[in-house]
Amino acid sequence: KNQVEQSPQSLIILEGKNCTLQCNYTVSPFSNLRWYKQDTGRGPVSLTIMTFSENTKSNGRYTATLDADTKQSSLHITASQLSDSASYICVVSDRGSTLGRLYFGRGTQLTVWP
Amino acid sequence: EADIYQTPRYLVIGTGKKITLECSQTMGHDKMYWYQQDPGMELHLIHYSYGVNSTEKGDLSSESTVSRIRTEHFPLTLESARPSHTSQYLCASTFLSGDRGTDTQYFGPGTRLTVL
Repeated sequence: KNQVEQSPQSLIILEGKNCTLQCNYTVSPFSNLRWYKQDTGRGPVSLTIMTFSENTKSNGRYTATLDADTKQSSLHITASQLSDSASYICVVSDRGSTLGRLYFGRGTQLTVWP
Repeated sequence: EADIYQTPRYLVIGTGKKITLECSQTMGHDKMYWYQQDPGMELHLIHYSYGVNSTEKGDLSSESTVSRIRTEHFPLTLESARPSHTSQYLCASTFLSGDRGTDTQYFGPGTRLTVL
């Protein structure tokens, strides 16, 4: 069964600290993996997207890694800010259809305290 | 920032009412989607469209219907709202980016629907 599992479910850190969010998937075949940031009451916004051949990609203070062999990805946030408080969603796309079907994780709820 | 809009942002309505959630995008994207999301849960695809006059049901069974008469417009309709329809509804659209064929989905702000 194609699944995307994220951990931890929630995380609280202090402003300025770093953190790492995890994503494990069983989706096969694999096309790409994306990380989205979703602020409360808003739609998700894309942070990074990685294909099979990419193992790291950065977007400012966000760095995503991908290990396609172990089917694991992580999102590392450096020097966290209050505005980083949001849900971070891992999304995996398969190659099985022209739609490129997306499998969504439940997200990690990150809270950054001052 | 993505040019994809949803109205209303919040809607509280009584059981049995007919409602239409609006979604429009000005990016010329062919593909559009509707997702349903409950708090703390993953997004579930309920409808999608490849283009004008193309609509398909998604993975999650839904009593809603959609139409795609214009490229930029993808409304979702509930003929008779029920409390079980209470949820957040997110609209998204995509274009094909790069030479690897990766779709970048742009999401609207969502409509929070409450059916009493």
